[in-house]
Amino acid sequence: GIQVEQSPPDLILQEGANSTLRCNFSDSVNNLQWFHQNPWGQLINLFYIPSGTKQNGRLSATTVATERYSLLYISSSQTTDSGVYFCAVNTGFQKLVFGTGTRLLVSP
Amino acid sequence: DTEVTQTPKHLVMGMTNKKSLKCEQHMGHRAMYWYKQKAKKPPELMFVYSYEKLSINESVPSRFSPECPNSSLLNLHLHALQPEDSALYLCASSHVEGTQYFGPGTRLTVL
Repeated sequence: GIQVEQSPPDLILQEGANSTLRCNFSDSVNNLQWFHQNPWGQLINLFYIPSGTKQNGRLSATTVATERYSLLYISSSQTTDSGVYFCAVNTGFQKLVFGTGTRLLVSP
Repeated sequence: DTEVTQTPKHLVMGMTNKKSLKCEQHMGHRAMYWYKQKAKKPPELMFVYSYEKLSINESVPSRFSPECPNSSLLNLHLHALQPEDSALYLCASSHVEGTQYFGPGTRLTVL
């Protein structure tokens, strides 16, 4: 099956810093989603981005489908950005495969 | 409304108990999903219902029994679970092949 790897696995930032999270996938995908999982376990949709670039406030994402990777940019990080960030890919047939995750801690 | 609700939030059960997890959405989605997430791991797909019919079962043991009584509701019936089944159980819904929206999860502990 498809492999979805995220880097870095762990990231510690000072409040106000910027960061880039990466998601590599091993095969063609129909779509890609980015999620933030908060400390209580809730998965929050960030982006649905099979290709191209999207922005939402301090967050933006870029997917280069032909090169099989996606990037999530977080600017001016805040303590509420802490949690685990997952990318997830869909290769068809409604099966969403999650990446390995990046655990982010933003300290004040 | 982009909300998926799940009950209960927490559940503790013995290995001989029978319990059920419930999931509800009112977004008009016709696909609903169960995922299992162990600590410090990504969610893993268990079941997919499409138009109220089971379309994917990821080789889940029969002690987990899904049910989709109508297009808004999804249940997961639990029987004779093992301690290793302790996990966060997440429900999601979507338009068929669309963005998946997740509920807050049920944190299950099997004693």
